[in-house]
Amino acid sequence: EAQVTQNPRYLITVTGKKLTVTCSQNMNHEYMSWYRQDPGLGLRQIYYSMNVEVTDKGDVPEGYKVSRKEKRNFPLILESPSPNQTSLYFCASSDASAGIGTEAFFGQGTRLTVV
Amino acid sequence: KQEVTQIPAALSVPEGENLVLNCSFTDSAIYNLQWFRQDPGKGLTSLLLIQSSQREQTSGRLNASLDKSSGRSTLYIAASQPGDSATYLCAVRFISGGYQKVTFGIGTKLQVIP
Repeated sequence: EAQVTQNPRYLITVTGKKLTVTCSQNMNHEYMSWYRQDPGLGLRQIYYSMNVEVTDKGDVPEGYKVSRKEKRNFPLILESPSPNQTSLYFCASSDASAGIGTEAFFGQGTRLTVV
Repeated sequence: KQEVTQIPAALSVPEGENLVLNCSFTDSAIYNLQWFRQDPGKGLTSLLLIQSSQREQTSGRLNASLDKSSGRSTLYIAASQPGDSATYLCAVRFISGGYQKVTFGIGTKLQVIP
């Protein structure tokens, strides 16, 4: 079954304690991205990756890091989380062939609370 | 800055009505546009994907159109049902210097009343 898997689904942490949210896809997609969703602001892209070792900033990259060492995984790293990073996070993947892209598949989301 | 706007923000209709959701975007240089639905507390489910070279896509009771030159897309839902109640999101994959940035609208919250 084609899927994007995020872990954990729920996380409560304290300010400043480094954390990583994992994302894995089994569709051999080149394109992967992270979003955060906040009330009244919708989904905003944090970082995206066109392929292994190719990443770029989205609209709200501050306070986040990503890496793409292998095609299937795209972890999101918060080096020093702050309360304003409390949000619902989604990972997504899609094919990026020929610059067109195909349908995007989303993970189930990670609800992060930073206290 | 590339922006995506969805109107209306919320919509309530009686069961059986046909309805149209609107999505507009500021830059016509796009790869594709995708419509999603999101149920409360859940992830996103893809409904329809329209490539920039296409005018419309259909799936069951759903029809999505794309007018790239005017920066508009519509999602038409025929014979609405209570199970259609959800938030509908429009996402545009913009061409950005060889890269692909995706911007979402805030969504239209639809309630279909039995």
